[in-house]
Amino acid sequence: AQSVTQLDSHVSVSEGTPVLLRCNYSSSYSPSLFWYVQHPNKGLQLLLKYTSAATLVKGINGFEAEFKKSETSFHLTKPSAHMSDAAEYFCAVSDGFGGYSSASKIIFGSGTRLSIRP
Amino acid sequence: KAGVTQTPRYLIKTRGQQVTLSCSPISGHRSVSWYQQTPGQGLQFLFEYFSETQRNKGNFPGRFSGRQFSNSRSEMNVSTLELGDSALYLCASSAGRENEKLFFGSGTQLSVL
Repeated sequence: AQSVTQLDSHVSVSEGTPVLLRCNYSSSYSPSLFWYVQHPNKGLQLLLKYTSAATLVKGINGFEAEFKKSETSFHLTKPSAHMSDAAEYFCAVSDGFGGYSSASKIIFGSGTRLSIRP
Repeated sequence: KAGVTQTPRYLIKTRGQQVTLSCSPISGHRSVSWYQQTPGQGLQFLFEYFSETQRNKGNFPGRFSGRQFSNSRSEMNVSTLELGDSALYLCASSAGRENEKLFFGSGTQLSVL
């Protein structure tokens, strides 16, 4: 069975410093991995997704994530935090079976709240 | 291209009442999924519809139901509301292909008093 663990419920960084949000996953097959962001009173927005094309995935707003199979990790990073990055971040995993997949196969982590200090 | 639209944005109901939430997916998307989001349980999958058929259902009681219309718009209904149903209900649409990314609406915040 697949699962995802976000190792930090809350991360606080100063503006202009690097961001690291940690995610470990468990999957029986070659997984697809996602990072979503949720700003207050908004729905989730896809930041990036990994589907085995390249281990380093670049997303929107300067975020990127690296897939490390040996460590079963998919950590999200950004070189320099901006005040607008303050939000809740969700890591998600989906087992790819080929053909039409289902949203029910996408498992979300519990979320990491990112705070940015001025 | 318009995004996923959910109405209403906020709802306040009392225990025992029923409620209907609406979701209009992105034009051309045939798959609509519903999620319940609470601080304690996080994001939990409710059900998914594809071309007017329920494709999957999560572990929620029968009080939670839904449907999808021929134009892909979807409604979710909760009958006999309980205090624990207070949550943000999110709708997401996708084109339904393998590992297709989900596009979320802003949600309906339901408060049950």
